[in-house]
Amino acid sequence: DAKTTQPPSMDCAEGRAANLPCNHSTISGNEYVYWYRQIHSQGPQYIIHGLKNNETNEMASLIITEDRKSSTLILPHATLRDTAVYYCIVRGGSDSNYQLIWGAGTKLIIKP
Amino acid sequence: NAGVMQNPRHLVRRRGQEARLRCSPMKGHSHVYWYRQLPEEGLKFMVYLQKENIIDESGMPKERFSAEFPKEGPSILRIQQVVRGDSAAYFCASSLLPGQTSNQPQHFGDGTRLSIL
Repeated sequence: DAKTTQPPSMDCAEGRAANLPCNHSTISGNEYVYWYRQIHSQGPQYIIHGLKNNETNEMASLIITEDRKSSTLILPHATLRDTAVYYCIVRGGSDSNYQLIWGAGTKLIIKP
Repeated sequence: NAGVMQNPRHLVRRRGQEARLRCSPMKGHSHVYWYRQLPEEGLKFMVYLQKENIIDESGMPKERFSAEFPKEGPSILRIQQVVRGDSAAYFCASSLLPGQTSNQPQHFGDGTRLSIL
């Protein structure tokens, strides 16, 4: 089973920041938080990952709470092309950590 | 700067036939992972391969399914005597460093959508 909990769906207006939450209350000290998204009929696209510090790249920012029990993915200026299912995945801490375990994700709809 | 390439994108087979799915990893990547996705569900891990070695096939059905990653050429996922329940999207991912010891992300192809008539 996935070690993360995400809301099933969210809406966001085009041009606004999209904030996607993820709960991972059982995360252990050496486990990373990864975010992927899957646009309809395409493969998952890697977005960002982090351990405990906040991270930013050209696609998004990742904010991880101090206790590491939750995180938020931020798309700073959402566009219609950001409509996708977003997956938060906890990975690491075991010899089989390459087995990414996928939950149901959050279906993000960007509205014009 | 090609990403992970999978072919065919769509494959239709009749029950009892064989399906062969191919995956070429990103340039320089020697670690390949196969996942299966049923409609409206998340991906499920099937198998992890390095060049000429199967590292972990714990997610792959014991019968009818096999995978290889030869020294030369793409990785192949083979399904023999397909049944209706094999209909799914099959995704391949690759990584530069070993999956067990690195936190580098896996990068995915656009999948093969297998339909069984």
